[in-house]
Parts: sequence; structure tokens; C-alpha cells
Amino acid sequence: AQSVTQPDIHITVSEGASLELRCNYSYGATPYLFWYVQSPGQGLQLLLKYFSGDTLVQGIKGFEAEFKRSQSSFNLRKPSVHWSDAAEYFCAFGGDAGNMLTFGGGTRLMVKP
Amino acid sequence: DAGVIQSPRHEVTEMGQEVTLRCKPISGHDYLFWYRQTMMRGLELLIYFNNNVPIDDSGMPEDRFSAKMPNASFSTLKIQPSEPRDSAVYFCASSSQGGVNQPQHFGDGTRLSIL
Repeated sequence: AQSVTQPDIHITVSEGASLELRCNYSYGATPYLFWYVQSPGQGLQLLLKYFSGDTLVQGIKGFEAEFKRSQSSFNLRKPSVHWSDAAEYFCAFGGDAGNMLTFGGGTRLMVKP
Repeated sequence: DAGVIQSPRHEVTEMGQEVTLRCKPISGHDYLFWYRQTMMRGLELLIYFNNNVPIDDSGMPEDRFSAKMPNASFSTLKIQPSEPRDSAVYFCASSSQGGVNQPQHFGDGTRLSIL
């Protein structure tokens, strides 16, 4: 069965520090992978996506993610976090379940001044 | 361009009442998805449509929930009768052409509270 896991429920970082949010998937082939961000009171906004090709993907707002097949991971990174990055981040996975995406449980990011 | 538009943004009603949530997808998008988000269960897909036809409703909790898409620019999610456990944020999303590789665009959600 396909699944996606975000091991960290909460993460707190200081403003200006680097960030890495973890995402692991379980699937027999190359999946379609997405990262979304949800600010309070808003819907989910797409940050970036991976389908194939270059395993390092650049997204909006200075985020990037690296697909590592050997580790079944698609971790999200940002070199320097801003206070406005405080939000909840969702990794999503698409495999062979038709048009449906499977979302991870989310990681809530808090940024300390 | 306008994004996915949901109404109302907030709904508070008493148990047993009928609740109707509305969604206008992005123009030209063929796929429409309804999700429910709660602290306990996270983000769950309830149902999705392709070209106004329901394709998979396996996520609909029970018969009290129903969804329709009478035309390409409008969909509703109804709960009748509503129960306190239905309290959640309900999101509508749309995508173009379908396929799991197409990003989904989300509305800002309807926060539903059943008293």
C-alpha cells in the first residue's frame, strides 16, 4: 500500500536558521511528490512538486526539496527561515490511486524571533 | 485569475440542521475535490468529480453526506442531519486535466461548527 509519513508533528526554529522538514513515502515505483503550505485560516498552497528528472526541485518562497529514492524521502529545505514561514506544511503523494493524492499528517513550523 | 472560491467561510449551526457548503472551482479545471480537515484525522479526501461526474466517493463518511456538481462552475457538499462530530474545516480543490501529477488548487475552506 502507498503511504506518506511526516515524522515531525512540531518543529521550532530560530529566524534566520536553516530548516529541513522530513517526508517519507512507501511505494514501489517513482511517485509524484508535492509539498504544500497552509497558513492559519487559509487553504493549502503548492510550494513545489517532483515528477521525474532532477532530484533537487526548487519551489516558491525560497524552498527546495530533494528526492532520494534510496531513502524513500522527499525532505523540504530552506537555508534561512523568515518569521512569515510559520505555518503547517504538508507532504503529499500520488501513485497509482487514480487522481487522488495522499497527504501526510503535516508538520507545524514555529519560528522564534 | 480568481482561485477556488468557497462559501461560507464560517458556519455555526445546531445539531440536526442541514448544512450546505459551496464551491466554485477555477475556470477550466475539470477535476474538483472535497476534503475534510480535523485535528484527529488530518486531511481526508471525501469525494472527487471529473467533468461534473462523481468518480470516487469512498471517503464520504456516511449517508448523511452528499455532494453534487450540477455544472462545471459549482459544487455543493450537504450534510443532513448534521452532528457535532461533523465539525471540521472543509476544503474544496480543483485541478486541470486530471492525473495525479496535476497540482490541486485549494480554496480557503469553510470552518463548520455543529453545536
